[in-house]
Amino acid sequence: EADIYQTPRYLVIGTGKKITLECSQTMGHDKMYWYQQDPGMELHLIHYSYGVNSTEKGDLSSESTVSRIRTEHFPLTLESARPSHTSQYLCASSESQKNTEAFFGQGTRLTVV
Amino acid sequence: RKEVEQDPGPFNVPEGATVAFNCTYSNSASQSFFWYRQDCRKEPKLLMSVYSSGNEDGRFTAQLNRASQYISLLIRDSKLSDSATYLCVVDTGGFKTIFGAGTRLFVKA
Repeated sequence: EADIYQTPRYLVIGTGKKITLECSQTMGHDKMYWYQQDPGMELHLIHYSYGVNSTEKGDLSSESTVSRIRTEHFPLTLESARPSHTSQYLCASSESQKNTEAFFGQGTRLTVV
Repeated sequence: RKEVEQDPGPFNVPEGATVAFNCTYSNSASQSFFWYRQDCRKEPKLLMSVYSSGNEDGRFTAQLNRASQYISLLIRDSKLSDSATYLCVVDTGGFKTIFGAGTRLFVKA
């Protein structure tokens, strides 16, 4: 089993609230990712990081922000949640060397009402 | 054009059938290739890496053609438990990992 954890697993929140989705890994991986996935649809990369103090936006425009203050921790924050943010958010990590697999957390299923 | 493109699917096959999935990638500098499996409402998990010489893992065979920028996955003797979405994944080396849209497989009894 991969040592990457996401909390909460499920979250229902009202419009306008600020939320932070947590992601932690204990594998010492430098690379971490956030993906957004709607049911039955493809994964979209929204943020990634090569290491501490490194963050980049992915292919899908997102109103979320991320930080990487510690290697093991890569939280994602929505300053003001909207119904359009309803989705599943998957965090992943991998080593920096090539040909290494990405390990995924179990995801956070977010519903904004 | 997407960086990684897969057969759209879905594929509906009977148990015991052989099924093949195809994937193309646009970045010729890509270095690492994988097939992941994602079950319904679960996270993706690595099925197998894809090596230049091709590789096999039980009923699963992966092939890579760098000249054509093409990857394939062959599943022999399909089982009901093979029903899932199969994701083609490309890593450009030190850069972001790119997932294809996935091909859904349904294996019927």
